[in-house]
Amino acid sequence: DQQVKQNSPSLSVQEGRISILNCDYTNSMFDYFLWYKKYPAEGPTFLISISSIKDKNEDGRFTVFLNKSAKHLSLHIVPSQPGDSAVYFCAASGRGSNYKLTFGKGTLLTVNP
Amino acid sequence: NAGVTQTPKFQVLKTGQSMTLQCAQDMNHNSMYWYRQDPGMGLRLIYYSASEGTTDKGEVPNGYNVSRLNKREFSLRLESAAPSQTSVYFCASSEVWTGSAGLVEKLFFGSGTQLSVL
Repeated sequence: DQQVKQNSPSLSVQEGRISILNCDYTNSMFDYFLWYKKYPAEGPTFLISISSIKDKNEDGRFTVFLNKSAKHLSLHIVPSQPGDSAVYFCAASGRGSNYKLTFGKGTLLTVNP
Repeated sequence: NAGVTQTPKFQVLKTGQSMTLQCAQDMNHNSMYWYRQDPGMGLRLIYYSASEGTTDKGEVPNGYNVSRLNKREFSLRLESAAPSQTSVYFCASSEVWTGSAGLVEKLFFGSGTQLSVL
């Protein structure tokens, strides 16, 4: 039973364009949603988060949108840069998971010059 | 800034061999974790330790044991390695804060151990 789903294994975009990575969840008791970025041969690093009482959080080129009614969140990267090429993991936590993070399977983003 | 340090970075084992993956953090975090990452499977929690002296099973604990040696160190042991344990292993520690919607944990990961079991 996969509680956090990233249905697109990969995404390819041109440099300068917008990248949109999607994530769906099933557990309505999740309170926080986090995005992690992972480069090859490195551990994941925290990118941005959003709480369930907000619908948008922005940090520079990165914006996360949350639609609670649809149980859906998305990460927007504008403009995309080749250095953004990495695997992006969506994660969620809350009372339903005893505050432990539940990760999606990840989406490989490739930004082409 | 060392953060979370894992050793070794690479390891090849034969089926049935044992080994211990070491992890240490210097951020004074209470909680530590072991995850494995497999292609198409994302990050799956093996074991975690909420504080020194305590450990709990995660999603995929079978075939593994852990030891929280002190606040800094959390090791993962494979007693009898199997090919199904071929994976990339990540150790992590976390800081917890109370946000506007409740508790939230932020994980800091090590750089990983690539383990192959033949």
